Amino acid sequence: QVQLVESGGGVAQPGRSLRLSCAASGFTFSRHGMHWVRKAPGKGLEWVAVMSEDGSEKYYAASVKGRFTISRDDSNNTLDLQMNSLRPEDTAIYYCAKVGEPYRKWGYLDYWGQGALVTVSS
Amino acid sequence: QLVLTQSPSASASLGDSVWLTCTLSGGPRPYAIAWHQHRPEKGPRYLMMVYGDGTHIKGDGVPDRFSGSSSGAERFLTISGLQSADEADYYCQTWDTGLIFGGGTKLTVL
Repeated sequence: QVQLVESGGGVAQPGRSLRLSCAASGFTFSRHGMHWVRKAPGKGLEWVAVMSEDGSEKYYAASVKGRFTISRDDSNNTLDLQMNSLRPEDTAIYYCAKVGEPYRKWGYLDYWGQGALVTVSS
Repeated sequence: QLVLTQSPSASASLGDSVWLTCTLSGGPRPYAIAWHQHRPEKGPRYLMMVYGDGTHIKGDGVPDRFSGSSSGAERFLTISGLQSADEADYYCQTWDTGLIFGGGTKLTVL
């Protein structure tokens, strides 16, 4: 069965960095676009970033562009999110999620991880 | 710019049915949307796709109590035979250049 397991969350001071990782299993990872989505306390779901199935395309939400970098390793079936210059408003649970249809970066998300908590505070 | 609008809250009694609505605006096409359920302390769960013609395609293991439909710019999620486990936030989602989420509806089961 499909599993997505995030790791790497924690507490960071403003301006510092954290790296999240998502381990994928149960599907052909290299065929699917992958996303990061976050949920801040008291707010709704917010899209963060996407990487296409072949790694050739990456897109970011305006709120994180220039600070966050998405990457993937198809040999290890992992998706990463490098978060630099963290701000208090980046505090959220971060979820990785897979696009339902193969060979698409935009579409419905059919599986989600359980999330990794990132807290940015001095 | 495509926007998805949801009512912030809804409530219904155990065993009853509830209809949740997602309204699309700003887009020229009859967009399909996805419904996701998000229970506290868990990752979101994909429920179904709902297309502009009203057809819906459910995710793995989603009970028959959950169904979808559409009318014009509105997309509906219907939950029948409400159970306490259905108490959750429900989000609609579509895509353009970026994923777009509605603000979510908090469903309370009385």
